[in-house]
Amino acid sequence: SQTIHQWPATLVQPVGSPLSLECTVEGTSNPNLYWYRQAAGRGLQLLFYSIGIGQISSEVPQNLSASRPQDRQFILSSKKLLLSDSGFYLCAWSRDRVHEQYFGPGTRLTVT
Amino acid sequence: EDKVVQSPLSLVVHEGDTVTLNCSYEVTNFRSLLWYKQEKKAPTFLFMLTSSGIEKKSGRLSSILDKKELSSILNITATQTGDSAIYLCAVEEDMRFGAGTRLTVKP
Repeated sequence: SQTIHQWPATLVQPVGSPLSLECTVEGTSNPNLYWYRQAAGRGLQLLFYSIGIGQISSEVPQNLSASRPQDRQFILSSKKLLLSDSGFYLCAWSRDRVHEQYFGPGTRLTVT
Repeated sequence: EDKVVQSPLSLVVHEGDTVTLNCSYEVTNFRSLLWYKQEKKAPTFLFMLTSSGIEKKSGRLSSILDKKELSSILNITATQTGDSAIYLCAVEEDMRFGAGTRLTVKP
């Protein structure tokens, strides 16, 4: 069966510090991978998606970036965090663009 | 701009009540509509709807798509406290999510 991991679960970082969130998927190959952000009381905002190694599409211009160094690894990064980057970050995978997504446990980021 | 609108934003009911949640969309390239339930952390998949008028059902939950009205409803009958969650709908191909409906079921 497939599982998706995210870490860390919670993170408190000062403004201006770098960020690296990691997501890995087990039990499948060549998944579509997604990063979402959810602000308090809001829906999910798609940040990045990837259909393969090194292939990243950005949905929203911002100071975040994503990379996919391996087939089942997706990393969300920032060089300098802003207060507005606080939120709940969710990674998800799907077999392709026409199938449902499965979400990881999420990382709650607080930028102080 | 493509958008997905859910209503109501929040709803408080008592156990045993029936609820109907709404999702309307305006997207350029509609492919499917998905419903998710989010309790504490990760959303979990409920339904995927691609064809108009065909009801999907799972226990006390059911959902139907109306492509003519560009909308979908999610029904929950005989609600239980465990149904309390945020219900999210999303539309492919952009995986654009609505803001969600926060459902609270009181004992």
